[in-house]
Amino acid sequence: GIQVEQSPPDLILQEGANSTLRCNFSDSVNNLQWFHQNPWGQLINLFYIPSGTKQNGRLSATTVATERYSLLYISSSQTTDSGVYFCAVAYNYGQNFVFGPGTRLSVLP
Amino acid sequence: DTGVSQDPRHKITKRGQNVTFRCDPISEHNRLYWYRQTLGQGPEFLTYFQNEAQLEKSRLLSDRFSAERPKGSFSTLEIQRTEQGDSAMYLCASSLGGWSLISGANVLTFGAGSRLTVL
Repeated sequence: GIQVEQSPPDLILQEGANSTLRCNFSDSVNNLQWFHQNPWGQLINLFYIPSGTKQNGRLSATTVATERYSLLYISSSQTTDSGVYFCAVAYNYGQNFVFGPGTRLSVLP
Repeated sequence: DTGVSQDPRHKITKRGQNVTFRCDPISEHNRLYWYRQTLGQGPEFLTYFQNEAQLEKSRLLSDRFSAERPKGSFSTLEIQRTEQGDSAMYLCASSLGGWSLISGANVLTFGAGSRLTVL
């Protein structure tokens, strides 16, 4: 099956700093989504981005499908950005999403 | 639209007991997924429904696990003869989608999860 890797596994930032999270996947996909899991366990969908670039406020994401990776950028980080960021991919139009292991982000005041 | 609802939020049970979780998806969503998440790990796929049909089931899902989605609305996940290894967060997600990018993006919306502790 498809393998998903995320890096770094852990990231500690000072409030206001920028960061880049990476997701690598082992096979062609036609669906890729980024999620934020808050400290209470709720998964929030950030982006649906099988290819190209999208921006939403301080967050943006880029997927280069031909090179099998996606990047999530967080600018001017805030303490509320803390939590775990997951990427999830599917190769069969969303029948079975495979999640990566996540990047745990801690933003310090 | 109140999002995806899961019930109960927390369940503590003794080994060997049966437990059932319920998921109410977003009303217009045709797809419903169950995932399991243990501490420090990403969610693992368990099973998936398109309307009322269960189209895929993970090899991780033993015969003690069963899921239903009658009439293509809410879904239940039952675990029989629970074991300590079943302790986890059980997550439900729903989406609107089909078999091509034209028919829908299958953007997942998750519920808050049901946390199971087996003593």
